[in-house]
Amino acid sequence: QKEVEQDPGPLSVPEGAIVSLNCTYSNSAFQYFMWYRQYSRKGPELLMYTYSSGNKEDGRFTAQVDKSSKYISLFIRDSQPSDSATYLCAMSAESQGGSEKLVFGKGTKLTVNP
Amino acid sequence: EPEVTQTPSHQVTQMGQEVILRCVPISNHLYFYWYRQILGQKVEFLVSFYNNEISEKSEIFDDQFSVERPDGSNFTLKIRSTKLEDSAMYFCASSEGVEQYFGPGTRLTVT
Repeated sequence: QKEVEQDPGPLSVPEGAIVSLNCTYSNSAFQYFMWYRQYSRKGPELLMYTYSSGNKEDGRFTAQVDKSSKYISLFIRDSQPSDSATYLCAMSAESQGGSEKLVFGKGTKLTVNP
Repeated sequence: EPEVTQTPSHQVTQMGQEVILRCVPISNHLYFYWYRQILGQKVEFLVSFYNNEISEKSEIFDDQFSVERPDGSNFTLKIRSTKLEDSAMYFCASSEGVEQYFGPGTRLTVT
């Protein structure tokens, strides 16, 4: 079983739709859960992160973590064409006084059509 | 807004040649990383660096790779003898805690 699994899509939605992006993982040691956005041939851009279980909201974006199911989600409300990108989930274990390596999913390519 | 910068944006080299990829992390960050992304594949961790030494390295980071912080601002990745399979995007990242910020990447093409 791969450490982090993410459906690569592609996912195509109309403008204004609610988008749901998901990842599953197998490593129980993961405590930090990030979502990055990546445009073609650019670096990953951090959108938000969550520690352990629960929800976090930032504008149109909501991140959810369910550690009992080893399942994380990113919801995008009122999606815009500018949201078109590849969305990467990434995870790390609890830090031992430093910052742990990130383990990434493969990314889901999202297109929001005007 | 502070950002991680990387140079060059694109490097073409011949197999067997040495390359040095350069990064300027965000100035108050203490942790530095290199990741790579082969076309169509996941972003993969290579190495992390803290307090002038390697904290962790992956299986990919073999003896052909080295990292250095030659001064107070630069962070470099050296590949001693490049192989065709080293062709990838190489990303530098830095953090002061959990949140890692990535640079725009260097596209390395080995011919």
